[in-house]
This record gives sequence, C-alpha cells and structure tokens, in this order.
Amino acid sequence: AQKITQTQPGMFVQEKEAVTLDCTYDTSDQSYGLFWYKQPSSGEMIFLIYQGSYDEQNATEGRYSLNFQKARKSANLVISASQLGDSAMYFCAMRDSIDYKLSFGAGTTVTVRA
Amino acid sequence: DGGITQSPKYLFRKEGQNVTLSCEQNLNHDAMYWYRQDPGQGLRLIYYSQIVNDFQKGDIAEGYSVSREKKESFPLTVTSAQKNPTAFYLCASSIVAGGTDTQYFGPGTRLTVL
Repeated sequence: AQKITQTQPGMFVQEKEAVTLDCTYDTSDQSYGLFWYKQPSSGEMIFLIYQGSYDEQNATEGRYSLNFQKARKSANLVISASQLGDSAMYFCAMRDSIDYKLSFGAGTTVTVRA
Repeated sequence: DGGITQSPKYLFRKEGQNVTLSCEQNLNHDAMYWYRQDPGQGLRLIYYSQIVNDFQKGDIAEGYSVSREKKESFPLTVTSAQKNPTAFYLCASSIVAGGTDTQYFGPGTRLTVL
C-alpha cells in the first residue's frame, strides 16, 4: 500500500525567502511518480512539478525544485524567492507504474508574509 | 484554451435528493477521475474512467455513480445513499490512466447538503 506523509501542517515564510516542504513516501514498487500540487483558497489543484523514480536529476520548474532522495524515500519541494501569491495549501502525491490513482498526503499550508 | 470545466462551483441540495456534478474536458485526454476532498484533508478517489463506456470504482465509491458516454464528459451523481455528501469535489483528467501521466484538475464543485 502506498502512503504519503507530510509532517508540516503549516509554515510561515518571509517574502523573497526560500521554503522547503517535506514529503516522505512508502512504496514497494520500483517505478513510480511523485507529484506536487498547489491548492489556493479558490480550491483548484494546480500541478507544479513531477519526479520519476528513475530520473537521476532533481526536477525543476521555475521557482520550484524537487529534492529527491530515493534511498530515504523523500521528495521535498523547495520554493525559492517566495511571493505573496505562493500562499496556499501544498500537496505531495504519488502514483506507481500500474496504479490508476494518486495517493495524496494531508497537505502543508504555506503563508507568505510581506 | 484547453482545460477542464466543472459546474456549478457551488451547489446546495436538500438531504435525500440526488445531485449530478458536471465535468467536461477539451484536452483530448482518455482518462478522467473524480476525487472528494474533506476539510483539512487530501483527496480520495471516487471513480475513474480509462475509456468511453468504461469506468471503475475508486476507494470511496459507495453512494456515487458515474457515466462516460463521451470522451469529453464524466458526470458524477451523488445519490441519497451517500451518508455524508457535503464536500469539495474535484474532477481530473490525464492522457492515459496509470503510469506516471500527470493528472490535471478542474476548479471543483463545493456541494452542501442541507
């Protein structure tokens, strides 16, 4: 069974600083994908970044990067140069190579302070 | 613009009434999904469909029904058998089901049963 753990219920970060959101996962599959989504107060889930289990390099998308440590089964999201618009709930999710669903963590609320 | 639309954004119903939530996509994606989100929690899968005229139950299908008569459309009916229907419902789609294809989400429908 898959399991995603996000241990930080909420975080505060100063504008223009970087913030790291923790995510650990548990799977016995060798092939899987890790995803991060952002959910602002409007409710829509916005895809941010993807990391495949066989990808050797950490994924990056603009100000988002994924710190992938396969042996530790962690996939932390780093947001650099935080902006006020980054204030939202962030979810880590995983899907293996044969499963049809995303398994989500409980989420981390990020509040960016001016 | 390609995307996923859900309507309505807010929906109120009396207890005991069936209600149908709309989900339409113009991304030419084969797979579509319905998730439920309760306050402060991650998403849980209700139903998914890989191709037209075919769908499978997710983790919490009891009290829900779906249809997939067209590739673009995947409506969800919340029946009176669903014990706690008040929640936020999100529809998603991906190019194919399974693997590590990214799922993209619609804006969601917030259902309140009075």
